[in-house]
Amino acid sequence: NAGVTQTPKFQVLKTGQSMTLQCAQDMNHEYMSWYRQDPGMGLRLIHYSVGAGITDQGEVPNGYNVSRSTTEDFPLRLLSAAPSQTSVYFCASSYRNQPQHFGDGTRLSIL
Amino acid sequence: AQSVSQHNHHVILSEAASLELGCNYSYGGTVNLFWYVQYPGQHLQLLLKYFSGDPLVKGIKGFEAEFIKSKFSFNLRKPSVQWSDTAEYFCAVNADTGGYQKVTFGTGTKLQVIP
Repeated sequence: NAGVTQTPKFQVLKTGQSMTLQCAQDMNHEYMSWYRQDPGMGLRLIHYSVGAGITDQGEVPNGYNVSRSTTEDFPLRLLSAAPSQTSVYFCASSYRNQPQHFGDGTRLSIL
Repeated sequence: AQSVSQHNHHVILSEAASLELGCNYSYGGTVNLFWYVQYPGQHLQLLLKYFSGDPLVKGIKGFEAEFIKSKFSFNLRKPSVQWSDTAEYFCAVNADTGGYQKVTFGTGTKLQVIP
């Protein structure tokens, strides 16, 4: 089992560029979520999904889009990158309210 | 909506010292509680969880936590820390309503253990 796989691990973007962070899990978990981690702020929920075709906003959704066409994949799209989106991004999955499994993270820098 | 407070932002201990990290949550109903650990450069890993039953839960690596409902607290403890426990620790909560519920994390406590 690979668990939760995130790609890329590192990325540098220029302001205004768009990109997609990939997240895939092979545990057949219905619940998937995206967090950003910033120093002193813990993990903040960006978007989450409770199953294919169902997504909802977390506490910091602005500037990000998600879709969930399959159970396995939950990509996060940055529409027009801004320096404030420089962060470490973690994808997580779980079965119902069981503990979440986290990916290794994507370290994103916006210049 | 639920919230989580971790009052200790940075804790420095010597090896063999005892550890207690505070976690308080706010939510009016039944909750599930978690402690996660993040070693430098790694992703979060589950230390322990509380869903119901015995309020004293034991996790991996000698950690334990006690759920005190009247105080809305879920403090993490370890009798004797090791240098390898240097990491950031996150308390998390979600509402136990039977379905999928968002998980809310605290801001984390950085633990530095000095050899």
